Amino acid sequence: NAGVMQNPRHLVRRRGQEARLRCSPMKGHSHVYWYRQLPEEGLKFMVYLQKENIIDESGMPKERFSAEFPKEGPSILRIQQVVRGDSAAYFCASSPGLAGIYEQYFGPGTRLTVT
Amino acid sequence: KNEVEQSPQNLTAQEGEFITINCSYSVGISALHWLQQHPGGGIVSLFMLSSGKKKHGRLIATINIQEKHSSLHITASHPRDSAVYICAAVGASGSRLTFGEGTQLTVNP
Repeated sequence: NAGVMQNPRHLVRRRGQEARLRCSPMKGHSHVYWYRQLPEEGLKFMVYLQKENIIDESGMPKERFSAEFPKEGPSILRIQQVVRGDSAAYFCASSPGLAGIYEQYFGPGTRLTVT
Repeated sequence: KNEVEQSPQNLTAQEGEFITINCSYSVGISALHWLQQHPGGGIVSLFMLSSGKKKHGRLIATINIQEKHSSLHITASHPRDSAVYICAAVGASGSRLTFGEGTQLTVNP
């Protein structure tokens, strides 16, 4: 059973370009979470999604950031018109979404560098 | 004040020492994770617990729900234990994680 997969592992973008980060949850998991780790800072929640539904996006910046988890395919975190401050490690985690099951499994992360 | 606080922020130990990292939280939680992160590396979940104590090899995690406090212990520490250890609270609704700032552990040979 493959773990949570993220790609790319490293992404370099110039200011103003778009960044697309992908997350494939563990098999059988229907809930995905995105977290951001800025340099020298702790992890922060961004967004929580179920298939075709955003459950909690209270941690997402109001502009330029969006996330989706379609019925088929991976979850996508999209950052438009990237700025240097977006440089960070972005981790996704998945869970089965069953009542009382709180374990989250993390992917290896995508390190975004904005030049 | 952060909802999840860890101490110490940095910890240096000699190989073989017993290590304790503490985590206090101020919100209602469903469970608490202890995570490990190596430099430039991914995040590994060490434990998830909602009560009592769990043990895995040289690692022990405890939680006291009434006192809103958890500890991670490492017995017979080894240089390969050097990493950042992070506690993360699962909210009462059972979804998002709220993270402590992490404890940077360095174990010297």
